[in-house]
Amino acid sequence: KNQVEQSPQSLIILEGKNCTLQCNYTVSPFSNLRWYKQDTGRGPVSLTIMTFSENTKSNGRYTATLDADTKQSSLHITASQLSDSASYICVVSEYSNSGYALNFGKGTSLLVTP
Amino acid sequence: DTGVSQDPRHKITKRGQNVTFRCDPISEHNRLYWYRQTLGQGPEFLTYFQNEAQLEKSRLLSDRFSAERPKGSFSTLEIQRTEQGDSAMYLCASSFSSAHNTIYFGEGSWLTVV
Repeated sequence: KNQVEQSPQSLIILEGKNCTLQCNYTVSPFSNLRWYKQDTGRGPVSLTIMTFSENTKSNGRYTATLDADTKQSSLHITASQLSDSASYICVVSEYSNSGYALNFGKGTSLLVTP
Repeated sequence: DTGVSQDPRHKITKRGQNVTFRCDPISEHNRLYWYRQTLGQGPEFLTYFQNEAQLEKSRLLSDRFSAERPKGSFSTLEIQRTEQGDSAMYLCASSFSSAHNTIYFGEGSWLTVV
């Protein structure tokens, strides 16, 4: 069973609107949570990384939040642009015997339309 | 710093043939990872190296798959006797070894087995 669940699976919004993507996880012991943006056919690009003690982190128009108690995270995109159309992947890192392991969600596919 | 480089970007091969992918990580990154990604899914972990040592391998990495990182620099991923189910994008990533460092991905190598 995937330990990182993302919702919605896909989303269509109008250019200029805001949106929020959700990530719920059961990974334990928790190390950090990352959000990546992946354009179609390209490799993922890091947006944010948050540790246990961080509640929010921004990167331009992207703001990620983390509630480690409820094991939930969100990625808020402000004033969306056409170039925001991509898959957004939540990645939760856990401590493991060999150091740490990354657990990937399946991603939320975002389409921004004119 | 030119980022993580992967070669070739696309490969079409006949079933049963062997293929090899190369990854050049960001210089001085001591960790190197290989992932596999199919359409609509998040990346799946295959293996990772700390310098030249292969520290962890996924159960996904069958006997037909082998990865090397001689001298702790570039890495190769070889798939022997390819099967149609091997068709996917193979992603390489690199980072420093600290748990909270950004992990940088390459653009991926697309494999199509016909």
